[in-house]
Amino acid sequence: GNSVTQMEGPVTLSEEAFLTINCTYTATGYPSLFWYVQYPGEGLQLLLKATKADDKGSNKGFEATYRKETTSFHLEKGSVQVSDSAVYFCALQPFTGGGNKLTFGTGTQLKVEL
Amino acid sequence: GAGVSQSPSNKVTEKGKDVELRCDPISGHTALYWYRQSLGQGLEFLIYFQGNSAPDKSGLPSDRFSAERTGGSVSTLTIQRTQQEDSAVYLCASSPNRDEQYFGPGTRLTVT
Repeated sequence: GNSVTQMEGPVTLSEEAFLTINCTYTATGYPSLFWYVQYPGEGLQLLLKATKADDKGSNKGFEATYRKETTSFHLEKGSVQVSDSAVYFCALQPFTGGGNKLTFGTGTQLKVEL
Repeated sequence: GAGVSQSPSNKVTEKGKDVELRCDPISGHTALYWYRQSLGQGLEFLIYFQGNSAPDKSGLPSDRFSAERTGGSVSTLTIQRTQQEDSAVYLCASSPNRDEQYFGPGTRLTVT
């Protein structure tokens, strides 16, 4: 079946540090890949997406590249801010079969300190 | 424009009671999803609607859980004879297309 594996959190960084949150997936075919973010007390928001191999999704300074060869979709940001503190979820949506449902990783909490 | 709304935002119920959770999707979105977020299980898919029909109910954990959607819009998730393990945040999402799902704020259900 489909699955997503994320690095365990929490990840604690100083402001302006470089961020990487690892995400790998297992799926047949060519799924679409997503990063969602959940700020404290708020709902899930789509951060970025990539729908085919080698695509790069980007938004708000965050980037992730769909790597078919390593089945990965790692999230990166060059300089984090305190306001980036949140829980980040990697997710996949199968290309065929399995409907359009999202399969999520367990989430990675990011804490950014001054 | 208005996003996905869910009601109630919080629900506390006694074990054994029935509860109904409501989702109002974004106008015009034909697809609607229910997910559950709990500490032990993370984010789990429950059910997917396309229009008023549910082609994928594979995530419903037991026959105590049911959902319907009427008029291609509002959806209700019903949990009968609630158990403590049903305590979670229930999330609704709607989608205009295959790729993007827009989530509501969730209903936090606590079963005492």
